[in-house]
Amino acid sequence: EAQVTQNPRYLITVTGKKLTVTCSQNMNHEYMSWYRQDPGLGLRQIYYSMNVEVTDKGDVPEGYKVSRKEKRNFPLILESPSPNQTSLYFCASSPQGDTQYFGPGTRLTVL
Amino acid sequence: GESVGLHLPTLSVQEGDNSIINCAYSNSASDYFIWYKQESGKGPQFIIDIRSNMDKRQGQRVTVLLNKTVKHLSLQIAATQPGDSAVYFCAENMWGGSGNTGKLIFGQGTTLQVKP
Repeated sequence: EAQVTQNPRYLITVTGKKLTVTCSQNMNHEYMSWYRQDPGLGLRQIYYSMNVEVTDKGDVPEGYKVSRKEKRNFPLILESPSPNQTSLYFCASSPQGDTQYFGPGTRLTVL
Repeated sequence: GESVGLHLPTLSVQEGDNSIINCAYSNSASDYFIWYKQESGKGPQFIIDIRSNMDKRQGQRVTVLLNKTVKHLSLQIAATQPGDSAVYFCAENMWGGSGNTGKLIFGQGTTLQVKP
């Protein structure tokens, strides 16, 4: 089944403790992206990658890192999480960056 | 700056009626627009898309209209069903001089409530 998977689906952590949210797609898509979704603010793009080893900042990249060492994986790294990063995170993939297919989401709470 | 907005945060319709969800965008250089549906607890799901060289595109029970003159996008759902209840987002795919920039900007979302 063609899909985008994210892990973990739920995470509660404390300020400053490094964490990684994994994202994997099995559709051989070139493009992958991370979004955060907050009430009243909609979906905002954090980082995206047009291809392996190519990453670019979206609208809200501060406090996040990404890497794209292989086509199928695009992990989101929070080196020192803060409470304002509490949010619902979505990973997406796309053949060329247009129509995007979203994962199920990761709900992160930073205390 | 660029923004993609929806006119109404909530739309309530009777089952069987047609629904129209609106969206305004500000970047006249945008080439590609997408509508997504998000059900509670799930990620956004692609519904239909349209490129800037078109003004109308139809899918199964859905139609997207694009008016580039006034930078307006709408999603029409025919014979709305309870399963259509969800949050609907329009999104704008930014294109630059060398093609797809990879940036996608979403509107705030409209919650569609279908009354039985």
